[in-house]
Amino acid sequence: AQSVTQLGSHVSVSEGALVLLRCNYSSSVPPYLFWYVQYPNQGLQLLLKYTTGATLVKGINGFEAEFKKSETSFHLTKPSAHMSDAAEYFCAVSFGNQFYFGTGTSLTVIP
Amino acid sequence: DAGVIQSPRHEVTEMGQEVTLRCKPISGHDYLFWYRQTMMRGLELLIYFNNNVPIDDSGMPEDRFSAKMPNASFSTLKIQPSEPRDSAVYFCASSLLRTQGKGGELFFGEGSRLTVL
Repeated sequence: AQSVTQLGSHVSVSEGALVLLRCNYSSSVPPYLFWYVQYPNQGLQLLLKYTTGATLVKGINGFEAEFKKSETSFHLTKPSAHMSDAAEYFCAVSFGNQFYFGTGTSLTVIP
Repeated sequence: DAGVIQSPRHEVTEMGQEVTLRCKPISGHDYLFWYRQTMMRGLELLIYFNNNVPIDDSGMPEDRFSAKMPNASFSTLKIQPSEPRDSAVYFCASSLLRTQGKGGELFFGEGSRLTVL
């Protein structure tokens, strides 16, 4: 069975601090991995994705994520948080035409 | 290019009324998904279509919910009769067949916020 676990439903960081949002998955086959961001009253927007190749993936707005097969993880990071990063973040995995979303992590940025 | 278009953006209705939500996927996309988002349950897949054909509707909560896709550019999600517990944000998303299985992502609409009084 495939599943996605996001550790921490709420994360708070100070402006300028490192952002680390955790995502672990379980899968019997190599997955494709995604991070989406959702701003208030908006739909989900793709931040970045891993399909094949380089395990460190760079996305929009300065975010990046690293696929670690041995740890079954795909954590999202950003070196320096900005106020505009405050949003809900979802990790997702896909197998063929099936997508599985995590429960989301709400990021608060403290000025 | 236009993204996934949903209407209405907001709907307030009374219990027992029929609700119809609409979705126009991205042109050329041949997968269409309906999701529901609530605080309690998060993001739930309701149903998805491939080439206008429903493939998996196991997420549809009950018979009051129905979805159709009469053509490649239009889909509806209908709730009849509506109940307060149906209050949620309903998202439509689309994707492209030839990228499926190769890491193709979902493209989401802005959502339809439904409030049933």
